Amino acid sequence: EVQLLESGGGFVQPGGSLRLSCAASGFSFSTYAMTWVRQTPGKGLEWVAALSGSGGSIYYADKFKGRFTISRDNSKTTLFLEMQSLTADDTAVYYCAKDYSSMPVAGTGDHWGQGVLVTVSS
Amino acid sequence: QSVLTQPPSASGTPGQRVTISCSGSSTNIGSKTVNWYQQLPRTAPKVLIYSDNHRPSGVPNRFSASKSGTSASLAISGLQPDDEVDYYCAAWDDTLNGLVFGGGTKLTVL
Repeated sequence: EVQLLESGGGFVQPGGSLRLSCAASGFSFSTYAMTWVRQTPGKGLEWVAALSGSGGSIYYADKFKGRFTISRDNSKTTLFLEMQSLTADDTAVYYCAKDYSSMPVAGTGDHWGQGVLVTVSS
Repeated sequence: QSVLTQPPSASGTPGQRVTISCSGSSTNIGSKTVNWYQQLPRTAPKVLIYSDNHRPSGVPNRFSASKSGTSASLAISGLQPDDEVDYYCAAWDDTLNGLVFGGGTKLTVL
């Protein structure tokens, strides 16, 4: 059974940093691209970043380039999202998702984590 | 403003068939596959349709999807009260080099 378990969310002050983790199990982790998607309160889904199964190809939505860093440790079957210079606008539920192939172009959401809440507030 | 355009709302009566549209361009829907997601309140999205028109196991055949040119649509037949949730489309965009979502459609079962 595919399982994705996010952790690392919580409260952070504006300007602060946070590292989210997504522990994966139940599938050949290095074979699949992985994605982070977020959802701000009461709003729709927003794609944040994705990377290929090998980790060699990385993609970011323009608004997160330079602030967010996606990475993966295939030996530990874990996906990460490092977030810096956080503002109140980054308050959201962050989901990790398994993609359909080794590259993210086929889309995401084959399986989703339960989501982790990040609250940026002073 | 979302790259993919969905109607913010849709409605139907129990038993009816409703469709939700998703309009894009040649750089996303026109050249890449479309996925559709269903999201219940306060839960993670769930894929309803992948690769334009494929239904994962466990998704009722009341849900179907199609694509033509730069537009896609999700159809729900035999509408049920539990279908009253949010629906999103998504596709990779070759120009943005990223995944783009529709703004979401809230379905109301009257």
